[in-house]
Amino acid sequence: TQLLEQSPQFLSIQEGENLTVYCNSSSVFSSLQWYRQEPGEGPVLLVTVVTGGEVKKLKRLTFQFGDARKDSSLHITAAQPGDTGLYLCAGSRITSYDKVIFGPGTSLSVIP
Amino acid sequence: DVKVTQSSRYLVKRTGEKVFLECVQDMDHENMFWYRQDPGLGLRLIYFSYDVKMKEKGDIPEGYSVSREKKERFSLILESASTNQTSMYLCASSPGRGEGTRSYEQYFGPGTRLTVT
Repeated sequence: TQLLEQSPQFLSIQEGENLTVYCNSSSVFSSLQWYRQEPGEGPVLLVTVVTGGEVKKLKRLTFQFGDARKDSSLHITAAQPGDTGLYLCAGSRITSYDKVIFGPGTSLSVIP
Repeated sequence: DVKVTQSSRYLVKRTGEKVFLECVQDMDHENMFWYRQDPGLGLRLIYFSYDVKMKEKGDIPEGYSVSREKKERFSLILESASTNQTSMYLCASSPGRGEGTRSYEQYFGPGTRLTVT
């Protein structure tokens, strides 16, 4: 079974701090997505990374795909309370009928 | 923007009842998915469909069935609800093959919080 691991599981920080969360696997993925889920809502797609070593920026969020396409990181600069939520990574493989594998998520709380 | 809607945000049912959860997407996506999400267990795939009238079992199909009679609509059926099916149910859709890297991008509905008593 292919697994995606995420760390840390929980993170509580003060507004203005920087943070990095990680998504790791022993499997190679053709692409990897990051989602954010607010309490009581469905996940919302943030970004897709495809190429090994790729870096994408979305305002204060920086996403990186590992060179071997087995891992990814999400870095948030100057976190704000609006960043609070569950961050999920999801990996996809070409042969998987377009299914993706979701990690367990990192629950982020940004305290004002 | 893609919109995925689910028939109810909150639902309370009794043990043994037959429960229907409806999901509709408006972006002509090929693929549709049903997940349940429980604390500590993450998102678990129940069923998915890659075409009308086609369905595939996910990781936890027991106690559930699905129906996809039209491309835009994917229904999840709990044949006889049990208390261990109390959960958050999430529907998602994705474009499907031929869309390059977008093929795997999933768009979720707001979820249905189901309580079985």
